[in-house]
Amino acid sequence: DADVTQTPRNRITKTGKRIMLECSQTKGHDRMYWYRQDPGLGLRLIYYSFDVKDINKGEISDGYSVSRQAQAKFSLSLESAIPNQTALYFCATSDPSTGRPYNEQFFGPGTRLTVL
Amino acid sequence: AQSVTQLGSHVSVSEGALVLLRCNYSSSVPPYLFWYVQYPNQGLQLLLKYTSAATLVKGINGFEAEFKKSETSFHLTKPSAHMSDAAEYFCAVSLSGYSTLTFGKGTMLLVSP
Repeated sequence: DADVTQTPRNRITKTGKRIMLECSQTKGHDRMYWYRQDPGLGLRLIYYSFDVKDINKGEISDGYSVSRQAQAKFSLSLESAIPNQTALYFCATSDPSTGRPYNEQFFGPGTRLTVL
Repeated sequence: AQSVTQLGSHVSVSEGALVLLRCNYSSSVPPYLFWYVQYPNQGLQLLLKYTSAATLVKGINGFEAEFKKSETSFHLTKPSAHMSDAAEYFCAVSLSGYSTLTFGKGTMLLVSP
């Protein structure tokens, strides 16, 4: 079974609709992240959470919100979707420690979102 | 602050040829560096990472990268390309366990027979 899962894997919606993307992990990591990927732009950080009570904006948070329901769950919402939010969205987790002080991240399979 | 520049959005090689994907970083402190690979319709998978233990890092699938502080580079190489190496490759930098990852824009590797 995958350690980081995302639902749905594909979603087509219309402008103005509210949509939620969900991420679950069984890795036991405290830190979770949401990225969007656009062709030629790489991955850009939307929001991140270092624990259940911690939420931080990333590089491109406008138009998005998140909820950390539990250590294992981190949801991304688009309150009123617009066409330029059409992209591939990835969830990731990490767990740096004293023995591994770097921030290696583990990625889910992605959600392809199309806003018409 | 940190940043990553990947030179070349697309790199084409023939099967059996050397693969060289370039990554330069900017960082105010000694960085941690990563290469991730994304195969078509899949998520990102870690190829290798530099964590200051050794400057030459070996990863999966025959890839390796060398950290060169004087050149602020972390280029990815593989001696002989396979068709299965065709994918998009991302370089990323982190300053510490408490900072986020910053990704480059990616390089698409195309392998021809």
